[in-house]
Amino acid sequence: GQNIDQPTEMTATEGAIVQINCTYQTSGFNGLFWYQQHAGEAPTFLSYNVLDGLEEKGRFSSFLSRSKGYSYLLLKELQMKDSASYLCAVREENFNKFYFGSGTKLNVKP
Amino acid sequence: SQTIHQWPATLVQPVGSPLSLECTVEGTSNPNLYWYRQAAGRGLQLLFYSVGIGQISSEVPQNLSASRPQDRQFILSSKKLLLSDSGFYLCAGQGAPEAFFGQGTRLTVV
Repeated sequence: GQNIDQPTEMTATEGAIVQINCTYQTSGFNGLFWYQQHAGEAPTFLSYNVLDGLEEKGRFSSFLSRSKGYSYLLLKELQMKDSASYLCAVREENFNKFYFGSGTKLNVKP
Repeated sequence: SQTIHQWPATLVQPVGSPLSLECTVEGTSNPNLYWYRQAAGRGLQLLFYSVGIGQISSEVPQNLSASRPQDRQFILSSKKLLLSDSGFYLCAGQGAPEAFFGQGTRLTVV
């Protein structure tokens, strides 16, 4: 298994920028993934990193440092619909298993 | 595109009753498949994964079992449900590169 940590809850203002951090420990790293999950729904894929650096996809960016076991998801120009849980997941080399953190609940306020 | 069909969406079962949840995959052949459970307000816990027909590996000891009778069919079962089996069950497949999810089954054991 993996040890994946992320903050439980965060609050930010509409239009602002928020950074959600994730730290992990793994024995066979094969990628770091970010998902969005609205209450009662399945997770939807946002972004992934397999090499160090920043990946940008519109309002969402994700960063990875493999040596530090650290990633973050950056959300820009926050909208009310961005209120959701954000899950950090590590894919393991062995059978490509995905292990998830407990999720960060983001509250976007007007 | 790759799609997971999972049913039913919600299920209420009495303690001690059997369980069978099924998911089927479209748009890919011989995918790695996964069953996850999510307790209220928590992250996803990997229960089982499968790399092919008849090949099942369990991640945690529990009251559940899984089977893969066909390449694109993955079944989660229990002979006798416990109250602690309540949760949101998600079937997922290995995509390129992310895991893609079915819509989930919310199981309440009463």
